[in-house]
Amino acid sequence: ETGVTQTPRHLVMGMTNKKSLKCEQHLGHNAMYWYKQSAKKPLELMFVYNFKEQTENNSVPSRFSPECPNSSHLFLHLHTLQPEDSALYLCASSQEGVQKRLYFGPGTRLTVT
Amino acid sequence: GIQVEQSPPDLILQEGANSTLRCNFSDSVNNLQWFHQNPWGQLINLFYIPSGTKQNGRLSATTVATERYSLLYISSSQTTDSGVYFCAVDWPGDSNYQLIWGAGTKLIIKP
Repeated sequence: ETGVTQTPRHLVMGMTNKKSLKCEQHLGHNAMYWYKQSAKKPLELMFVYNFKEQTENNSVPSRFSPECPNSSHLFLHLHTLQPEDSALYLCASSQEGVQKRLYFGPGTRLTVT
Repeated sequence: GIQVEQSPPDLILQEGANSTLRCNFSDSVNNLQWFHQNPWGQLINLFYIPSGTKQNGRLSATTVATERYSLLYISSSQTTDSGVYFCAVDWPGDSNYQLIWGAGTKLIIKP
């Protein structure tokens, strides 16, 4: 148990569906992250929120839409995904000023059919 | 940009054996972290170690920043140690939130 939870753990969706991934951290951290991990590729940073403000968007396609309503919750809204978007999506958090020691959630394994 | 290389890429050991995993980086870094990813995908932060030596149970890590490498030691391996071990560095030449990740060492501990 890392103090970061993610739901759902597994998700299968069609290319025309809309779904959302949820992340919650119970560590009192101020920064939250979405990472994508595809097979045989290194972790890719997608988005960063610091004190609820988006500070990084690493050229992620608009079919991925993040939302951070408060410093404990982070969502990733998905729509019209492609099969190549199938991957493990990991949420992480860190304490601002502690130079990014990351704590990860268990991930959502997404399959796009 | 900075290069982060981990070795060996794969390692198979019997339960009870000791192992050393290495992470080399090509430039000065602000900090370095070691992670373990279990077969179900969960990433656990093992060490936050910009320099020096730290120990946590059977695991220890040493970073020699001046020589640009870090070592992760696993003693008396257990089957639950299986998975992929990643190092990730905070490089001052990049954004405040981007970590540079190694490709990982896949460790299999046989019973």
